Amino acid sequence: KAGVTQTPRYLIKTRGQQVTLSCSPISGHRSVSWYQQTPGQGLQFLFEYFSETQRNKGNFPGRFSGRQFSNSRSEMNVSTLELGDSALYLCASSFSTDLYGYTFGSGTRLTVV
Amino acid sequence: AQRVTQPEKLLSVFKGAPVELKCNYSYSGSPELFWYVQYSRQRLQLLLRHISRESIKGFTADLNKGETSFHLKKPFAQEEDSAMYYCALSGKSSASKIIFGSGTRLSIRP
Repeated sequence: KAGVTQTPRYLIKTRGQQVTLSCSPISGHRSVSWYQQTPGQGLQFLFEYFSETQRNKGNFPGRFSGRQFSNSRSEMNVSTLELGDSALYLCASSFSTDLYGYTFGSGTRLTVV
Repeated sequence: AQRVTQPEKLLSVFKGAPVELKCNYSYSGSPELFWYVQYSRQRLQLLLRHISRESIKGFTADLNKGETSFHLKKPFAQEEDSAMYYCALSGKSSASKIIFGSGTRLSIRP
């Protein structure tokens, strides 16, 4: 079956712009989580959606937001981009609980200039 | 507070030598623990999980509740084990998120 698909793979944006990233989970998976990966901070949890509801949220400013659609696809949005937002954004899906781990996508590499 | 600590940023061992990647955690309760691996140019993937008590690619990890540790071990390192390894924890409820450590880069020297 198809894995977790993230689009686009690469993005270059200018400071102050906004960006939307997309994630399609594995078919049947209802939980989608987003992480920011940087060399200095490692994997930082952004938020998790389950059945269209935000179930968990990390410690990121309100500029970072997300949503999940009825087909479990998820989007995350970052407004008013800052240089420090440059990172690899990873999406991960799981069936319902996290007890059996996540399946990750390849990520979207965002560069803010 | 939930926290996962991987004290070593980089671990370099010779091929055939034993490997131990350290992971300590802080969690109020009984967490579920995982190891994830990211090989060069590949996506992050689950290596093993405590709940399954499994051995994957020769790696094992034992949960020590007294020391709050979940170290990853392999008796004989292979060159293909070179990768970034992340320890992670989650609560037992379905609403728990997974928290990752900062990762350890394992480099196997020939």
